Amino acid sequence: GQNIDQPTEMTATEGAIVQINCTYQTSGFNGLFWYQQHAGEAPTFLSYNVLDGLEEKGRFSSFLSRSKGYSYLLLKELQMKDSASYLCAVVDSNYQLIWGAGTKLIIKP
Amino acid sequence: GAVVSQHPSRVICKSGTSVKIECRSLDFQATTMFWYRQFPKQSLMLMATSNEGSKATYEQGVEKDKFLINHASLTLSTLTVTSAHPEDSSFYICSARDREGASYNEQFFGPGTRLTVL
Repeated sequence: GQNIDQPTEMTATEGAIVQINCTYQTSGFNGLFWYQQHAGEAPTFLSYNVLDGLEEKGRFSSFLSRSKGYSYLLLKELQMKDSASYLCAVVDSNYQLIWGAGTKLIIKP
Repeated sequence: GAVVSQHPSRVICKSGTSVKIECRSLDFQATTMFWYRQFPKQSLMLMATSNEGSKATYEQGVEKDKFLINHASLTLSTLTVTSAHPEDSSFYICSARDREGASYNEQFFGPGTRLTVL
């Protein structure tokens, strides 16, 4: 079966750094997405990795290791508005998106 | 670019009635549109995938006669929840894939429709 694992909930302090991990076992791999979703809203695109390595985009970075079936999203200089759920999704061999359950990130002052 | 709209954003209906939700890609042509459902504190659950001009492909456990999907053009897909019941109350989100986008795999999401069935 196909499986995406990420922590259910994480807590971090404003101004700090947090890393959200995602491990996956899927039938094939055609890329991995990270989305941010605020409560009651639709997901918004954060990053897309298809090759191994680190992609940096402002305060957010995403890392991928295809051999390990592993990715992480790194958020720096945390702000209160970063409180949201972060969804990891993998594109499988049929170009279907397989979604993780999401990680709820709570930012404390 | 790559904007997807959904209408209505919220709808409340009586049990037994039908509700239609529209999903439009505003500035691009979408070969494929996806319909998701999300219950509180849960992740997105793919309901069906629709390609323009063909029948939708439903995920296992999703009743195709209850959730009617029409994808009549490259910019519009509709989801009709027929004979809605309280357990159908959920957040319904559509997404669209840009046929000529830089990232073929990226899905652009609509803002979602909150359905409440009384």
